[in-house]
Amino acid sequence: KNEVEQSPQNLTAQEGEFITINCSYSVGISALHWLQQHPGGGIVSLFMLSSGKKKHGRLIATINIQEKHSSLHITASHPRDSAVYICAVFETSGSRLTFGEGTQLTVNP
Amino acid sequence: DTGVSQNPRHKITKRGQNVTFRCDPISEHNRLYWYRQTLGQGPEFLTYFQNEAQLEKSRLLSDRFSAERPKGSFSTLEIQRTEQGDSAMYLCASSSPAGPSTGELFFGEGSRLTVL
Repeated sequence: KNEVEQSPQNLTAQEGEFITINCSYSVGISALHWLQQHPGGGIVSLFMLSSGKKKHGRLIATINIQEKHSSLHITASHPRDSAVYICAVFETSGSRLTFGEGTQLTVNP
Repeated sequence: DTGVSQNPRHKITKRGQNVTFRCDPISEHNRLYWYRQTLGQGPEFLTYFQNEAQLEKSRLLSDRFSAERPKGSFSTLEIQRTEQGDSAMYLCASSSPAGPSTGELFFGEGSRLTVL
């Protein structure tokens, strides 16, 4: 079992739909990152969370430390949101980030 | 340049050859990470530097792999006697002294290795 699990692995949506990607983890963490990766490899950090909720434009990220769960929401999705979204946790026991396997999102026009 | 820079972006090599990748982090970032990503998978941790000190190495980093950060600025990742299984995207990331537990993590564009 992976320490960080994401669901779904693949998600196809129509433009305008509300999207949710989930992340569950099994280790103690001090922070959780949501990352976006476009074809070609570049990774961009979207959010860093240690508690509560953050919002940036159409993106909202929440975390429940007690339940060891985080969600990334995209409102009014757009084809340019198509990318791989990766959840990564910074473990309290070490100095590394542990990544989920990513969710491939495709938003069709 | 305000981002993390990696070179080369693409490398095609024959099995058995040595390859070296370079990462230039954001200048004020003292933490530098190397990750490896294969198709359809999330990045896997390879190694971590704080300044010039290599503080952690993954078991994935076999004796054919070596990483350095001699002056606490740029870092190199060398793979000796490459194998086809080494084909992957090698990602470098850096963060501020506060670390990714309190601040952002910045990634380079990656160096894609293909071993024939």
